[in-house]
Amino acid sequence: DAKTTQPNSMESNEEEPVHLPCNHSTISGTDYIHWYRQLPSQGPEYVIHGLTSNVNNRMASLAIAEDRKSSTLILHRATLRDAAVYYCILADTGFQKLVFGTGTRLLVSP
Amino acid sequence: DSGVTQTPKHLITATGQRVTLRCSPRSGDLSVYWYQQSLDQGLQFLIQYYNGEERAKGNILERFSAQQFPDLHSELNLSSLELGDSALYFCASSVAANRGQETQYFGPGTRLLVL
Repeated sequence: DAKTTQPNSMESNEEEPVHLPCNHSTISGTDYIHWYRQLPSQGPEYVIHGLTSNVNNRMASLAIAEDRKSSTLILHRATLRDAAVYYCILADTGFQKLVFGTGTRLLVSP
Repeated sequence: DSGVTQTPKHLITATGQRVTLRCSPRSGDLSVYWYQQSLDQGLQFLIQYYNGEERAKGNILERFSAQQFPDLHSELNLSSLELGDSALYFCASSVAANRGQETQYFGPGTRLLVL
């Protein structure tokens, strides 16, 4: 399973943008980059995914480096509800499981 | 609400006992996954079923087994329970089984405490 590296924790203030980095230097050409988050006392929740191009949805944006060895999850305006552990995961076309790392714990202050 | 339901929410039992955790996937999803989350191991994939058949196995102990029924709900059976089996058990579902862009939808989990 290809590995990802994320900072253990990050802090942000409410209503400010947050950039959560992820390194995945061993990514293969068919690996999709997925982001999930886990709010306290809840199951993981899908955030966004992409392959090569930057992606936007109602929750966040995903910026993927040209060489695909890193990516950044962007929360445009952090809210208190965004405080969670964010997981960056690689999934190939044949994947059948999600391999969770330790993720980044995002703290959001009012 | 992800649409995935799990019962029970909480389970307290004793060592050596056997329990069954139940999962109902989102309507239309054929694939069910089980994950275990403990403090020391994090979130770990256990097993996956697709339309009633086992598709992939992860770090699932021999004391644990699962199945997916014709109505697509799934059960995870944990037997000869040990203290170390205390954890959160999550079920997830997805439409298909093996595409890299598949999104998994997670249930709220079952918290198991083995005393």
